[in-house]
Amino acid sequence: AQTVTQSQPEMSVQEAETVTLSCTYDTSENNYYLFWYKQPPSRQMILVIRQEAYKQQNATENRFSVNFQKAAKSFSLKISDSQLGDTAMYFCAFMKPPHMRFGAGTRLTVKP
Amino acid sequence: GAVVSQHPSWVICKSGTSVKIECRSLDFQATTMFWYRQFPKQSLMLMATSNEGSKATYEQGVEKDKFLINHASLTLSTLTVTSAHPEDSSFYICSARGAGARLGDTQYFGPGTRLTVL
Repeated sequence: AQTVTQSQPEMSVQEAETVTLSCTYDTSENNYYLFWYKQPPSRQMILVIRQEAYKQQNATENRFSVNFQKAAKSFSLKISDSQLGDTAMYFCAFMKPPHMRFGAGTRLTVKP
Repeated sequence: GAVVSQHPSWVICKSGTSVKIECRSLDFQATTMFWYRQFPKQSLMLMATSNEGSKATYEQGVEKDKFLINHASLTLSTLTVTSAHPEDSSFYICSARGAGARLGDTQYFGPGTRLTVL
């Protein structure tokens, strides 16, 4: 079974600074998807970024980018120019369709 | 695009009653929907996978007779918590699996339903 590990339960960053959230996973699969979801206090799960394992190029979405290291089974999220609205729980997720497995989450606080 | 709604957003019920939660994909069709449970300050735990027109597949440890799932159309799945008890109090989240070039193979989540059983 696939496992997803987020080793940082809590992190904080100053507004406008950059922060990196770590995620590692364990799988014997070759084709799969990786995701970062954001869960703000409203508890709505919001898709931040998505990466297909067959793509070597790291995904980016505006201020959010990933460092995908397939051999190392690592999938970190970098948030640039952090904003107060980025304060949330961040979940890393692994998907071998159709099922998705989540990490334990990292609580990120952006400080003014 | 890729909007998923849930209704109700919160519900309080008495012990022993049943509660139905609806999950709808508003702008896409979803052959597969998922139901999760989330305890405070914890991650999402998959309860069951719901496929349109067929029986749901439950995760180990989830009582299928207690958590009834129906996926009668490509845009609607329902979760019924039968004979609810206080230990069933939790936050329930559904997701719908998108597909195709526009949505990609991704799960899109509803806003969740907070269930409190007195």
